[in-house]
Amino acid sequence: GQQLNQSPQSMFIQEGEDVSMNCTSSSIFNTWLWYKQDPGEGPVLLIALYKAGELTSNGRLTAQFGITRKDSFLNISASIPSDVGIYFCAGTGANSKLTFGKGITLSVRP
Amino acid sequence: DSGVTQTPKHLITATGQRVTLRCSPRSGDLSVYWYQQSLDQGLQFLIQYYNGEERAKGNILERFSAQQFPDLHSELNLSSLELGDSALYFCASSVEIKNTEAFFGQGTRLTVV
Repeated sequence: GQQLNQSPQSMFIQEGEDVSMNCTSSSIFNTWLWYKQDPGEGPVLLIALYKAGELTSNGRLTAQFGITRKDSFLNISASIPSDVGIYFCAGTGANSKLTFGKGITLSVRP
Repeated sequence: DSGVTQTPKHLITATGQRVTLRCSPRSGDLSVYWYQQSLDQGLQFLIQYYNGEERAKGNILERFSAQQFPDLHSELNLSSLELGDSALYFCASSVEIKNTEAFFGQGTRLTVV
C-alpha cells in the first residue's frame, strides 16, 4: 500500500537557522501536501503541490514535488519560535486515499 | 479557522459504550475523510466519503462505522469502546475525491475510561 516516510522523528534547530525536511514514498504520488500541527489542534495545510518538479513558496516556506513523483521536501528559512510543531507530509496516489507520513517534530531554540 | 467543524471537542466515556462524532465539512466540499491520531501511530486514515458514498477505506475497525448524509455532514460511530480507542479523531474535507487540498477540523478528543 501507499506509505510515506519521514525522518528523523525529531529535529532541533537554533532560531534563525534554515531547516529542510524530506518525505519519500515507494510508489508514485499525484499530489503532495505539507501540513503543520500545533498541540491540541488539527493539521493546517501549508503548501500543496500538483505537478512533478513544481516548486512553491509560502512566505518562509518552500516545497518541491520531486521529479520522480516519489518524494517531496519542505524548507523553512530563518526559523522563528512559532515554527515549533509537527510537520506532516501527505499525498494522494493511484487511489483516492490521502496518506500521511508519521511527522517530524521541530523544536526551535531561541 | 479551516471551515471544518467537529463536535464534540472532548468526549469521555466508559468501555463498552458507543459514541457518535460529528463533522460538518467546508461549504462546497463533497469529500470527507476521517482520521485517528494516537501518540504512537500518527495520523491513521480510517475512511473517506464522497457525496454520500463510501470511496476509500483504511484501517477502520469493524466496531467503527461512518456515513455521510445528503447535507454532506458526516458521522463516525464508535461502538464497544476499548481503552485503546482513546485518541484524537479528525475529520477533513476537500472539494473533490483526490488530488486536491484537504482541510482539517480541530478534532474530537475521545477518552475511554
